[in-house]
Amino acid sequence: EAQVTQNPRYLITVTGKKLTVTCSQNMNHEYMSWYRQDPGLGLRQIYYSMNVEVTDKGDVPEGYKVSRKEKRNFPLILESPSPNQTSLYFCASSLSGTGGNEQFFGPGTRLTVL
Amino acid sequence: TQLLEQSPQFLSIQEGENLTVYCNSSSVFSSLQWYRQEPGEGPVLLVTVVTGGEVKKLKRLTFQFGDARKDSSLHITAAQPGDTGLYLCAGGMEYGNKLVFGAGTILRVKS
Repeated sequence: EAQVTQNPRYLITVTGKKLTVTCSQNMNHEYMSWYRQDPGLGLRQIYYSMNVEVTDKGDVPEGYKVSRKEKRNFPLILESPSPNQTSLYFCASSLSGTGGNEQFFGPGTRLTVL
Repeated sequence: TQLLEQSPQFLSIQEGENLTVYCNSSSVFSSLQWYRQEPGEGPVLLVTVVTGGEVKKLKRLTFQFGDARKDSSLHITAAQPGDTGLYLCAGGMEYGNKLVFGAGTILRVKS
């Protein structure tokens, strides 16, 4: 089954404790991205990657890191999480770029930073 | 300030009524997509429009892309409880590979 998987689905952590949210897709997609979803603000793009070893900042990249060592994986790293990073996070992938291509979303990761 | 302004934010209607959701911007987009999201899940694509003035129909849903590619609308005819969910518009930026989303419209259809 074609899908985007994220782990964990739920995470409660404390300020400053490094964490990684994994994302994997099995559709051989070139483009992957991370979004955060907050009430009243919709989905905001954090980082995106056009292909392996190619990453770029989205609209809200501060406090986040990403890497794209393999085509299928695109982990999101929070080196020192803070309470304002409490949010619902989505990973997405598409065939190539955003020019009219369908974005396939993972099920989401709900992160709480205390 | 949202690059894509979506309205209304909330809509609660009775089964059988019609409704329209709007997505507006001062920016030009290369494409405009509409997604539907249910609680506990990620958004799922409903439609993509890429040509100014384009109209697409998906059963009771009609999507339109503005002539200048700055706005879009989603019209639902004879809404049903199964249409309940969060509707999101998303614009593909003309330059670069970013996708910007509107804040979403929460639709509730009561039976």
